[in-house]
Amino acid sequence: AQSVTQLDSQVPVFEEAPVELRCNYSSSVSVYLFWYVQYPNQGLQLLLKYLSGSTLVKGINGFEAEFNKSQTSFHLRKPSVHISDTAEYFCAAFSGNTGKLIFGQGTTLQVKP
Amino acid sequence: DTEVTQTPKHLVMGMTNKKSLKCEQHMGHRAMYWYKQKAKKPPELMFVYSYEKLSINESVPSRFSPECPNSSLLNLHLHALQPEDSALYLCASSQDGAVDHYGYTFGSGTRLTVV
Repeated sequence: AQSVTQLDSQVPVFEEAPVELRCNYSSSVSVYLFWYVQYPNQGLQLLLKYLSGSTLVKGINGFEAEFNKSQTSFHLRKPSVHISDTAEYFCAAFSGNTGKLIFGQGTTLQVKP
Repeated sequence: DTEVTQTPKHLVMGMTNKKSLKCEQHMGHRAMYWYKQKAKKPPELMFVYSYEKLSINESVPSRFSPECPNSSLLNLHLHALQPEDSALYLCASSQDGAVDHYGYTFGSGTRLTVV
């Protein structure tokens, strides 16, 4: 079955600490991978995407993600988080078979002062 | 213009009401989507329009009726909704739904409450 798994439902972290949000995808989906952020009461904003090429992808707001084909992972990282990074983060993969964007269950990033 | 605009931002409706949600984009995207999102859950796909034709209907109840009047506009007509239909309704667009892999642009959503 095609799936995207976010391994942590909640990640609490102190301000200025590094953070990693984990995402694994099933090998049956395409390797077009995305991370979206959703701030409270807002829509989804694209953070970054991997389509091909370099496995290290840089996005907005200082986030980056690394595509690892052997481990079928696409983890999101930031070296130093801010209070304003508190939000819900969704990993997603585009399925070429169905033409749909498949979302993980989301990870709530809670940045504490 | 790189935005998807949704109106209204908030809507409260009774179970016997008829209302419509509106979505607009001027990026030249030819695929548009309606998603439903419950709190702390990922968005769930409802409908996909590709080149103004309905291409995917995810077995959504008939009380939700989509409409795509032109390539820039997408409506969602609501009738006889149930309280469990209360959710954030998100509209999104992409360059070409059939083969697109460049990510979707999402609107800010309409927060719908059915009373």
